[in-house]
Amino acid sequence: EVRLVQSRAEVKKPGDFLKISCKASGYRFIGNWIGWVRQMPGKGLEWMGIIYPDDSDARYSPSFQGQVIISVDKSTNTAYLQWRSLKASDTAMYFCARQGDIAGPPFDYWGQGTLVTVSS
Amino acid sequence: DIQMTQSPSSLSASIGDRVTITCRASQNISHYLHWYQQQPGKAPRLLIYSASTLQRGVPSRFRGSGSGTDFTLTISSLQPEDFTTYHCQQSYSALGDVFGQGTKLEIK
Repeated sequence: EVRLVQSRAEVKKPGDFLKISCKASGYRFIGNWIGWVRQMPGKGLEWMGIIYPDDSDARYSPSFQGQVIISVDKSTNTAYLQWRSLKASDTAMYFCARQGDIAGPPFDYWGQGTLVTVSS
Repeated sequence: DIQMTQSPSSLSASIGDRVTITCRASQNISHYLHWYQQQPGKAPRLLIYSASTLQRGVPSRFRGSGSGTDFTLTISSLQPEDFTTYHCQQSYSALGDVFGQGTKLEIK
């Protein structure tokens, strides 16, 4: 069974560093792109970027380029999303999702989400 | 950059009704369009991929159609659990909008 399990909710201050995680299981981790999606409170979904675990090839939305870093650890089948300096506007739910092997490809499996709250 | 326009933003219907949600791309995206359902506080769930292919385990009352720039998600015979939010996503290009704005389906 494919599962993506994300790290717990975080409460941080502006300027803080943060790295959240997404641990994959139930499939060959290095063979599927993993993406990150932001959902601000009461808003729609925003595609942030995607990474191919086998070679760590990462692609970013222009809106998030330079604002976050997406990485993976192949030894633990885990993808990461990190901020060097959080802003209040980073408050949102963040989802990781696997890009499927099917036509498209869409995101066929999703993590449960990590709520990040940034407040002074 | 691709712009995605999803409509309507909200929709009221009754159990048993048939509803249609539309997603329009600003340029030809072929069949690279997918539909998701999102319950409150939960992750999105893939319903339809490549415009018209039903994901395994999704009830057959969900149907997707379209190609090029205009796509529709049709839900026939609405069930209580269908009253939630739906998103479209294009996977043709990472430049511009990848997701539509979302449609909230409410009980009339």
